[in-house]
Amino acid sequence: QKEVEQNSGPLSVPEGAIASLNCTYSDRGSQSFFWYRQYSGKSPELIMSIYSNGDKEDGRFTAQLNKASQYVSLLIRDSQPSDSATYLCAVKSSNYQLIWGAGTKLIIKP
Amino acid sequence: EADIYQTPRYLVIGTGKKITLECSQTMGHDKMYWYQQDPGMELHLIHYSYGVNSTEKGDLSSESTVSRIRTEHFPLTLESARPSHTSQYLCASSGQESGNTIYFGEGSWLTVV
Repeated sequence: QKEVEQNSGPLSVPEGAIASLNCTYSDRGSQSFFWYRQYSGKSPELIMSIYSNGDKEDGRFTAQLNKASQYVSLLIRDSQPSDSATYLCAVKSSNYQLIWGAGTKLIIKP
Repeated sequence: EADIYQTPRYLVIGTGKKITLECSQTMGHDKMYWYQQDPGMELHLIHYSYGVNSTEKGDLSSESTVSRIRTEHFPLTLESARPSHTSQYLCASSGQESGNTIYFGEGSWLTVV
C-alpha cells in the first residue's frame, strides 16, 4: 500500500461543474497536507495547504481534511478549462518527510 | 510567489559528459530539494539538504551528487551522463518563513543522447 494514494484518472468534468479530487494517506500522525497543481511540462505550484479537520476555502477551491478517516480532498467549483492539469496531494508525515501522491489528471470539458 | 531559479532550463548532452544543474533561491530557505520526474510520472526525491554542509539522499537512488556550500545554492552534478538520466529535474526549497511549504523552480529538462 502506498503511503499517499490518489486515483490517477483521468477525471473528466464538464465546464462549470464541481471537480472532486481525493487523496488517502496511511500515517495517522501526519499533520500537514498540501494540494499542488501541475500543468503538463511545468513544475508543481501550491494551491492550498490544510492542517486542521474540516474545510478550508480559497476562491473556487475548497480543501477538506478528515484525519479520523485519513483522507483529504480538493473541490474545484465552477470548473474551467484552465483547471485541466494534474493535481498532486502531498502529506507531511510524522517524521516530517513530505510524501507525494502520484497525482490525478483532471480534464475539464468545454 | 517563490524566487527559485534553475539553469539550464533545457540541455541536450552526449553520453559520458559531466553536467551540473544549477539551483538558487533568494528566500533564505534553509531546506532545499532535488526531485526527478519523467513526463506523466510521479515525483521522486533524489537529494535534500536541511542546511549548509548538510546533504542527504532521497527515496530514489540516483547517480548524481549535490553540494550545499551556501544557503542559497544547491547544485546537482552528474559525473558521467547516460541516456537513462534523461528526465526533468526539479529543484525546490522550503523554510519556516513560508510555513515550510515547498516551492519549486521551473525545472531543468535533461536529454542525454
